[in-house]
Amino acid sequence: LAKTTQPISMDSYEGQEVNITCSHNNIATNDYITWYQQFPSQGPRFIIQGYKTKVTNEVASLFIPADRKSSTLSLPRVSLSDTAVYYCLVGDSYSNSGYALNFGKGTSLLVTP
Amino acid sequence: GAVVSQHPSRVICKSGTSVKIECRSLDFQATTMFWYRQFPKQSLMLMATSNEGSKATYEQGVEKDKFLINHASLTLSTLTVTSAHPEDSSFYICSAPGGQGAYTEAFFGQGTRLTVV
Repeated sequence: LAKTTQPISMDSYEGQEVNITCSHNNIATNDYITWYQQFPSQGPRFIIQGYKTKVTNEVASLFIPADRKSSTLSLPRVSLSDTAVYYCLVGDSYSNSGYALNFGKGTSLLVTP
Repeated sequence: GAVVSQHPSRVICKSGTSVKIECRSLDFQATTMFWYRQFPKQSLMLMATSNEGSKATYEQGVEKDKFLINHASLTLSTLTVTSAHPEDSSFYICSAPGGQGAYTEAFFGQGTRLTVV
């Protein structure tokens, strides 16, 4: 079963680029990689999802190397409002139906002035 | 994107009383919804799957008689914490899938902070 490993916490200053790497050595061929963001006292929200190479949207970029054993969420020029917990999910983070999510510990990002 | 709304956002109740939390999908139908619980500084833990028109399925270790789930319509699921005790104090969050199939985006409610005194 694919298991994800992320740093427990990261600190950054405003305006910097933040890269959060998630290791998933046992990712299966059909697994996608999905990232969620959770602000304090709020429910999580979907950020980005990808299968290989690079995916970019208005919030973040997701870099996935050819072997797909890891992925990196990149947040450009973070602001204080990006302070949140970021969760990486793959394969067995999802139930058999693909709907329920089993969250790992996530990475707590603190952005300071 | 789709919106999932929870109510109330915050509730304080006395030990031994029951509390009902509502989860609504505002602009889409959800035959399945999920309930999570999150303790401070911890990750979300899946409690149960709410199925419209049928019984909920509970994760191992979650007492179905204590956490009553009703999914009476395609847009509403409720979680009732019965005979609440201080150890039930937590952040409860519901979610609904935005579509069908694996890896579909999940939409989460804003959460309900329950404090049992």
